[in-house]
Amino acid sequence: QSVLTQPPSVSGAPGQTLSIPCTGSRSNVGAGYDVHWYRQLPGTAPKLVIYGNNKRPSGVPDRFSGSKSGTSAFLDITGLQAEDEGDYYCQSYDTSVGVSVVFGGGTKLTVL
Amino acid sequence: EVQLLESGGGLVQTGGSLRLACAASGFTFSRHAMIWVRQAPGKGLEWISGLRGSGDPTFYADSVKGRFIISRDNSKNTLYLQMNSLKAEDTAIYYCAKSGLGSSVFGVVEDWFDPWGQGTLVTVSS
Repeated sequence: QSVLTQPPSVSGAPGQTLSIPCTGSRSNVGAGYDVHWYRQLPGTAPKLVIYGNNKRPSGVPDRFSGSKSGTSAFLDITGLQAEDEGDYYCQSYDTSVGVSVVFGGGTKLTVL
Repeated sequence: EVQLLESGGGLVQTGGSLRLACAASGFTFSRHAMIWVRQAPGKGLEWISGLRGSGDPTFYADSVKGRFIISRDNSKNTLYLQMNSLKAEDTAIYYCAKSGLGSSVFGVVEDWFDPWGQGTLVTVSS
């Protein structure tokens, strides 16, 4: 059971807009801690796509954006492309007991 | 270019030990907090340990506390994970990752992790 909750899967047609939610609690996202997003392709390591809630690393298309409100964060992808497929994970910190890095359970994005 | 390269994975019997290494290059290793994250087959990401640039203090997830030891040798630009009393549920790909914020302190709640190494597979079997 992951501390941060994500839907197991989302799908959309090319060109559509998708949003992946990441829901936490008052000891992590709701405490104001930043949320970051990673994409993982099969057989490869996770790669950062959004940091600091809404910032894009260089090389990440501006079709990717992030937001945060209350105990939830969102990864939005506009103009969906086949190359966007993969598993997406959100990450934050939790301070309910000491300090720990926490991840969402991951969302598999499929482009139809 | 920042690079992280894990090694040391393999097949080990239940109750056995293994030491993973993560060789870092392309940045001032001693100035960055580092973490280990694992991913069981077909499962999501699980943070298991972290430490600051100086090597102390260290932090662990409950699932590995008392069995795993994280350490670093800044003179060799290498992060380690000593894994003892291994269980079948420790079977996973183990990744090391660097503080993306560039913090030398572990636990900065704004921090993210970038890049990650390619991972090393640990299989625990009876």
